[in-house]
Amino acid sequence: QVQLQESGPGLVRPSQTLSLTCTVSGDSISRNTFYWNWIRQSPGKGLEWIGYVYYRGTTDYNPSLKSRLTVSVDTSKRQFSLQLTSVTAADTAVYFCARSTVITPRYFDIWGRGTLVTVTS
Amino acid sequence: SYELTQPPSVSTAPGQTARITCGGNNLGSKGVQWYQQRPGQAPFVVMRYDSDRPAGIPDRFSGSNSGNTATLTISRVEAGDEADYFCQVWDNSVGHPVFGGGTKLTVL
Repeated sequence: QVQLQESGPGLVRPSQTLSLTCTVSGDSISRNTFYWNWIRQSPGKGLEWIGYVYYRGTTDYNPSLKSRLTVSVDTSKRQFSLQLTSVTAADTAVYFCARSTVITPRYFDIWGRGTLVTVTS
Repeated sequence: SYELTQPPSVSTAPGQTARITCGGNNLGSKGVQWYQQRPGQAPFVVMRYDSDRPAGIPDRFSGSNSGNTATLTISRVEAGDEADYFCQVWDNSVGHPVFGGGTKLTVL
């Protein structure tokens, strides 16, 4: 079955760049029926959508993060990545990668287990 | 921007019925999804397109959506249903995914 796995540093210094990668196994990342998303959850809080990338490289971002955010895809490696610049303590969260449908209403059918990223000096 | 409102908590005794609501403007015109999240785990979808249960979700779970309110109903509640539940919408009128704030279901 399809599985997603996040990887990346668990600690990031303030003002630095947070970089995470999600590896897709069990299926192609190049299907035209899915978006590949990043979602985060601050400790004890709700879910916040960060952005998505389509296999062709098209992206869409949460407006509140857009100025600091890049999401990209590497189809040859079956990976997609997140880069968030100029991080602060407010960016401390569990970061999930998730697959969503393209056809509306869109929903997240497969999730990674999540990875905790702490912004601290 | 579009907003979804959920009660912070719902409590139900085992064997009883739990109803978790999600409110939003003209929500009945949109497809609503529900996710269950247990502590330390990733969310997973328990209801999609208002009332469609994905494979593997017990038929004790049902959903409805009309007017400004969507409801996730869990019948014959079990201890294992204790979790956080989030509603979510994402269609062309709501350009980006929106999640409700989540409801903690406590099984008494």
